[in-house]
Amino acid sequence: SQELEQSPQSLIVQEGKNLTINCTSSKTLYGLYWYKQKYGEGLIFLMMLQKGGEEKSHEKITAKLDEKKQQSSLHITASQPSHAGIYLCGADGVVQGAQKLVFGQGTRLTINP
Amino acid sequence: DTAVSQTPKYLVTQMGNDKSIKCEQNLGHDTMYWYKQDSKKFLKIMFSYNNKELIINETVPNRFSPKSPDKAHLNLHINSLELGDSAVYFCASSPFRSGGTQYFGPGTRLTVL
Repeated sequence: SQELEQSPQSLIVQEGKNLTINCTSSKTLYGLYWYKQKYGEGLIFLMMLQKGGEEKSHEKITAKLDEKKQQSSLHITASQPSHAGIYLCGADGVVQGAQKLVFGQGTRLTINP
Repeated sequence: DTAVSQTPKYLVTQMGNDKSIKCEQNLGHDTMYWYKQDSKKFLKIMFSYNNKELIINETVPNRFSPKSPDKAHLNLHINSLELGDSAVYFCASSPFRSGGTQYFGPGTRLTVL
């Protein structure tokens, strides 16, 4: 079965600094989702990557999928307090014709003012 | 105009009790899911329904019984609650059985005493 490993597990950065979160898969990724979770709230969809080498950006967040489709990174530029939360990557898979997402363990991001 | 809603948001109960969590989506999606997030923040799929039909059951104890009265609703009933059932339960929906971005509800934090 597919497993995702996120690193680091937690990250504390000064406001305004850049940061990167990595997501490594044990198998080829056919689709990779990034979500953000704030305490007491559900998961908010950020981006989805499918093609090797693909890169997507939304505001100050950029996600990339490597050419071999086994690793993805999430980069935040000039971090702000609103970026704080838990970031989860999810691998897209299909079991018996049904979608099944497998998630990494999450990266807890704290932004210090 | 919440896309995926869950009730209640918090549930505190005694061991051995039976409880239900309700989920509704107004996105017109065909597929709905239940996930469990444990204390270590691991998010794992429990069930998946497509147009009221159960399509994924991830070896969840029989004490958990999902019910989908129509494709916009997916409820989770838990019998004989145990301490280990304490977790956050998330409902999600996606447009198609085989894929598409999953949108999550705000979660229900269940505490079993």
